Amino acid sequence: QTVVTQEPSLSVSPGGTVTLTCGLTSASVSTSYYPSWYQQTPGQAPRTLIYSTNTRSSGVPDRFSGSILGNKAALTITGAQADDESDYYCVLYMDSGIWVFGGGTKLTVL
Amino acid sequence: QVHLPQWGAGLLKPSETLSLTCAVYGGSFSGHYWTWIRQPPGKGLEWIGEINHSGSTKYNPSLKSRVTISVHASKNQFSLKLTSVTAADTAVYYCARWDSGSISWGQGTLVTVSS
Repeated sequence: QTVVTQEPSLSVSPGGTVTLTCGLTSASVSTSYYPSWYQQTPGQAPRTLIYSTNTRSSGVPDRFSGSILGNKAALTITGAQADDESDYYCVLYMDSGIWVFGGGTKLTVL
Repeated sequence: QVHLPQWGAGLLKPSETLSLTCAVYGGSFSGHYWTWIRQPPGKGLEWIGEINHSGSTKYNPSLKSRVTISVHASKNQFSLKLTSVTAADTAVYYCARWDSGSISWGQGTLVTVSS
């Protein structure tokens, strides 16, 4: 059973920087996993932020960036704003041709 | 910009079959993966499966025995069927266009399974 790991919750101060990570229990994440990131606020459909590791989706502010940090994928928010308070999900592409979402990170801006 | 209206029954009894359809407006139907994703209330996202315009499918192994995704290319539509539903299948179901992780999302349909 492939498990994609994310921090259950994180907090950041307004204007601060926070890094969310996306890992695997059984391997290191690389660009071959096409890590992608989504933001979701309550009651809304998710929104694509970053896909294929570091490509920003149309209209996404450049304070959101994606990368590989060590053995995990990472989403970094620089200059956090109040409306960045959301749930964030990553997804990874597996060798078997399926996609697996992480459990999500609840980000608080305070 | 692609628009993905979706529809289907929102209330099912246990053992019934969930059936949802998604239309594709804007952009090409070929060259993309058409995907279903679900989210139980208060929980995270789950990839259900995908289909391309020629009908090639991949499914989540945990649902594979109950899931069928089909495409109706002439109508620019694709559908989800999930058999033998239980309360654990209660979720918001999203249709989506998927391009290497870049997802264009439908609005979602809440499907509740209750006796």
